[in-house]
Amino acid sequence: GAVVSQHPSRVICKSGTSVKIECRSLDFQATTMFWYRQFPKQSLMLMATSNEGSKATYEQGVEKDKFLINHASLTLSTLTVTSAHPEDSSFYICSANSGNTIYFGEGSWLTVV
Amino acid sequence: QKEVEQDPGPLSVPEGAIVSLNCTYSNSAFQYFMWYRQYSRKGPELLMYTYSSGNKEDGRFTAQVDKSSKYISLFIRDSQPSDSATYLCALSGGSYIPTFGRGTSLIVHP
Repeated sequence: GAVVSQHPSRVICKSGTSVKIECRSLDFQATTMFWYRQFPKQSLMLMATSNEGSKATYEQGVEKDKFLINHASLTLSTLTVTSAHPEDSSFYICSANSGNTIYFGEGSWLTVV
Repeated sequence: QKEVEQDPGPLSVPEGAIVSLNCTYSNSAFQYFMWYRQYSRKGPELLMYTYSSGNKEDGRFTAQVDKSSKYISLFIRDSQPSDSATYLCALSGGSYIPTFGRGTSLIVHP
């Protein structure tokens, strides 16, 4: 099946700093990618839809100035958590559509200390 | 009522048992039905994908869709300890943005 790669898998950053997470589709082109957040023992919460060459569409309640999404090419979307705080610590997962099927990245654990 | 309902479990079964995981949904616009397996601290992995009522089999896994009842199931035969994970159902309509169930935690004990 299609492969979606996410990097880094784990990152620790200091409060107030910014951190960037990359999501790549390795063997297909993705005009649309999705960013999710997942809390322990909870389901996936869609944060935003990332559209290649245009602005991302954010879900209600997600701060677009805090979670910056860039989708500069058909194989790469990035999520930047700006001025991170401990409450931003979470598991962030990206996904991309290949046809009607959705494939997920491996996820990125963010810990803000 | 949530669009997709899924019992979080945990569901604990002995090795070799047949496991039945289920989701119900309320939106008749859903056309595509997927099951994902998520191991702890990992991203979800696609197990099964179907878009029609009926059964689809892949190895030990069988996905079943009943659109008239708005009910989908995933069956795992000869369950193994390595099947212990959280199983998420995902449903989507024409927009391809899926709606996820909250996941069922499965524990297969030796």
